[in-house]
Amino acid sequence: DVKVTQSSRYLVKRTGEKVFLECVQDMDHENMFWYRQDPGLGLRLIYFSYDVKMKEKGDIPEGYSVSREKKERFSLILESASTNQTSMYLCASSLSGTGEGYTFGSGTRLTVV
Amino acid sequence: GNSVTQMEGPVTLSEEAFLTINCTYTATGYPSLFWYVQYPGEGLQLLLKATKADDKGSNKGFEATYRKETTSFHLEKGSVQVSDSAVYFCALSDRGAGSYQLTFGKGTKLSVIP
Repeated sequence: DVKVTQSSRYLVKRTGEKVFLECVQDMDHENMFWYRQDPGLGLRLIYFSYDVKMKEKGDIPEGYSVSREKKERFSLILESASTNQTSMYLCASSLSGTGEGYTFGSGTRLTVV
Repeated sequence: GNSVTQMEGPVTLSEEAFLTINCTYTATGYPSLFWYVQYPGEGLQLLLKATKADDKGSNKGFEATYRKETTSFHLEKGSVQVSDSAVYFCALSDRGAGSYQLTFGKGTKLSVIP
């Protein structure tokens, strides 16, 4: 069964901490994405990557960075966590080309206190 | 640009009621259309998809037909169950514009009561 695995389901961090959210896929997908989901705002794209070592800003990249050193792994980094980054974070991957849709991980609920 | 508009929720139905969740889209090319479902505390799962006009996607009793003339992809189910309670997202992927990204609607929360 194909999978996107996010390393933590729940995470609590303190304001100012550097936070790493990890995502691994086993489907040899080229494309990977990070979203955050907040009530009333739907899914908002933070960053995405079409290939190893490539990254593109999404709609809300401020306060975040990403790393893609290997094809299967896409990490989201909160450089200095703030309370307004408390959210559900969703990772997804897809095969190049459209029509296939995304496969999502189970999500990480991050609380910054 | 591309956009997806879904009916606002929340939607509350009794078990065995008929469900319709409306979805309309704007796209510059020839989109594929998707419905995703998110159960409480989980990520999104692909529910069904359609890749060209007049295609019907179906899964788990849910159906949606790609209507190019009305730019719509409404989700329907004839008899909902409590286990269908979830958030439903409509999305499009536009091949014509060369984009690899999905554009999502804001989601519609469905609650089914016994």
